[in-house]
Amino acid sequence: EDQVTQSPEALRLQEGESSSLNCSYTVSGLRGLFWYRQDPGKGPEFLFTLYSAGEEKEKERLKATLTKKESFLHITAPKPEDSATYLCAVQANDYKLSFGAGTTVTVRA
Amino acid sequence: EAGVAQSPRYKIIEKRQSVAFWCNPISGHATLYWYQQILGQGPKLLIQFQNNGVVDDSQLPKDRFSAERLKGVDSTLKIQPAKLEDSAVYLCASSRDRGEQYFGPGTRLTVT
Repeated sequence: EDQVTQSPEALRLQEGESSSLNCSYTVSGLRGLFWYRQDPGKGPEFLFTLYSAGEEKEKERLKATLTKKESFLHITAPKPEDSATYLCAVQANDYKLSFGAGTTVTVRA
Repeated sequence: EAGVAQSPRYKIIEKRQSVAFWCNPISGHATLYWYQQILGQGPKLLIQFQNNGVVDDSQLPKDRFSAERLKGVDSTLKIQPAKLEDSAVYLCASSRDRGEQYFGPGTRLTVT
């Protein structure tokens, strides 16, 4: 069975304090790894798709990287508006998407 | 481009009652998904449609949950009868080619 584990569960940062979120996974044939952002009371918002080890994607202060066993979401110089829950999901060869429980990031001004 | 629409946004029912949720996907997206998200957890897939047909409903509690997708566009998810453990957010998502999925705002269901 495909498994996705995210750590830490919660992360409190000072504005400008860079950090990384981890997503480790086991999947029977990785088709893609997805990162989403979810704000309270809203649906997940798509951020990135990574397809192969070594791939990197960037968007504003966020950078996602992928290895054969895990993915990292780096937040550089975060601002309060980056506060959200970040979800990682893996898509197996059968196209099924399995989500982790998420990391809740709080950025204080 | 309009996003995924869902209604209602909130619903409170008593256990053993029935409830239905509606979803309108992004125009042109052939694949539609229903997820259940319990507080503090990631979304869990309930059912996946490709156009009109069901691709995966292995995690749908079929004794109480049902879903249909009319004419390959809108979809409804029904729970009958509801249990306390069905309290969750029900998310609808769509994708063009089974790649990245785009989610609606969700329906928060409370069963008392």
